[in-house]
Amino acid sequence: GIQVEQSPPDLILQEGANSTLRCNFSDSVNNLQWFHQNPWGQLINLFYIPSGTKQNGRLSATTVATERYSLLYISSSQTTDSGVYFCAVEKETSGSRLTFGEGTQLTVNP
Amino acid sequence: NAGVMQNPRHLVRRRGQEARLRCSPMKGHSHVYWYRQLPEEGLKFMVYLQKENIIDESGMPKERFSAEFPKEGPSILRIQQVVRGDSAAYFCASSPPSLKTQYFGPGTRLLVL
Repeated sequence: GIQVEQSPPDLILQEGANSTLRCNFSDSVNNLQWFHQNPWGQLINLFYIPSGTKQNGRLSATTVATERYSLLYISSSQTTDSGVYFCAVEKETSGSRLTFGEGTQLTVNP
Repeated sequence: NAGVMQNPRHLVRRRGQEARLRCSPMKGHSHVYWYRQLPEEGLKFMVYLQKENIIDESGMPKERFSAEFPKEGPSILRIQQVVRGDSAAYFCASSPPSLKTQYFGPGTRLLVL
């Protein structure tokens, strides 16, 4: 099956800092989503971004499908950004199942 | 437009009992997916259903687990004779027929004693 690798596995920031999270995938995809799992366990949709660049407030994401990676940028981080960030992809030939990476655990300290 | 709803949010069962997890997709969504998240791990796909049809159940254990999405009512994930290793968070997601984006519910946390 398709492999999804996220880096770094853990990240600790001071409030106000910027960060970049990376997602590499091993095959062509027709769906890529970024999620934030907050400390209460809820999964929040951040971006649907199989290719190109999108921005939403302090968050932006870029996917370069030809090189099989995606980046999530968090600017001016806040303590509420803490949690686990997951990248999930749908392989072109896999039907509609999402394959998740292991996540990046982000801690933002005040 | 209400989001994906799951109930119960927390479920405690003793070994050997049955667990029934319910998922109501977003309005207008006819595709439902179930995922399992074991402690300290990412989510793993279990099953993909459309109304009255199982499309892909390749991620679901062959024994004790079953899923349905009837013409009326919520999707049900059923686990028979639960064991401690079934303790996990079970997430349901839904999507409309025309879009790829999957929207996730709040999850059901199953604890098997």
